[in-house]
Amino acid sequence: QSALTQPPSASGSPGQSVTISCTGTSSDVGGYNYVSWYQQHPGKAPKLMIYDVSKRPSGVPDRFSGSKSGNTASLTVSGLQAEDEADYYCTSYAGSNDLGVFGGGTKLTVL
Amino acid sequence: QVQLVESGGGVVQPGRSLRLSCAASGYTFTNHGMQWVRQAPGKGLEWVAAISYDGSKRHYADSVKGRFAISRDIPKNTLYLEMNSLRAEDTAVYYCARDASFYSCDYWGQGTLVTVSS
Repeated sequence: QSALTQPPSASGSPGQSVTISCTGTSSDVGGYNYVSWYQQHPGKAPKLMIYDVSKRPSGVPDRFSGSKSGNTASLTVSGLQAEDEADYYCTSYAGSNDLGVFGGGTKLTVL
Repeated sequence: QVQLVESGGGVVQPGRSLRLSCAASGYTFTNHGMQWVRQAPGKGLEWVAAISYDGSKRHYADSVKGRFAISRDIPKNTLYLEMNSLRAEDTAVYYCARDASFYSCDYWGQGTLVTVSS
């Protein structure tokens, strides 16, 4: 149950795009197409933004997109807006005999 | 609408026990697996325990294995987390969440704070 690796911080100006990476292993990120991304504002519960690598739940703006290559998944936020400033966590399924695993989180700052 | 409401948090001494509850409403409880996720003050998210839609499969984080137990009462539409032998490092906000698919949790409770301190 090793944590996935995310950069601790990322930033961009309004209107720009930013990409957050999430690196795991062939036992989690690389082995399954079940990577999710959560957004969390201070004092609030997490919100699902991306699931199954690249799918968006209803109500999530299409400015948020996900992808995966090998053992690394990525979340891209395009057209940055002030309300996108939050912590972002990736998570991956790690097999039927194990619990999922989270990344350490990335604090996104909108400059 | 889907609602998850946690209760049972509070201040407890090290070594004691506590039971968290999560009342679910607005959907068919038996159609979804459920999760407990915690977040220590100023830290990231951690999966604590998961239970399948029918209760037949349960998984635990290594940090709580043997001390915590997840269960669900289907007639009451309620998820539980029984926490024993609590340690200071178990201090966190505990969230219950509905599993839509393979650890994609689409609904979350508001969280309940557990503080383990003498």
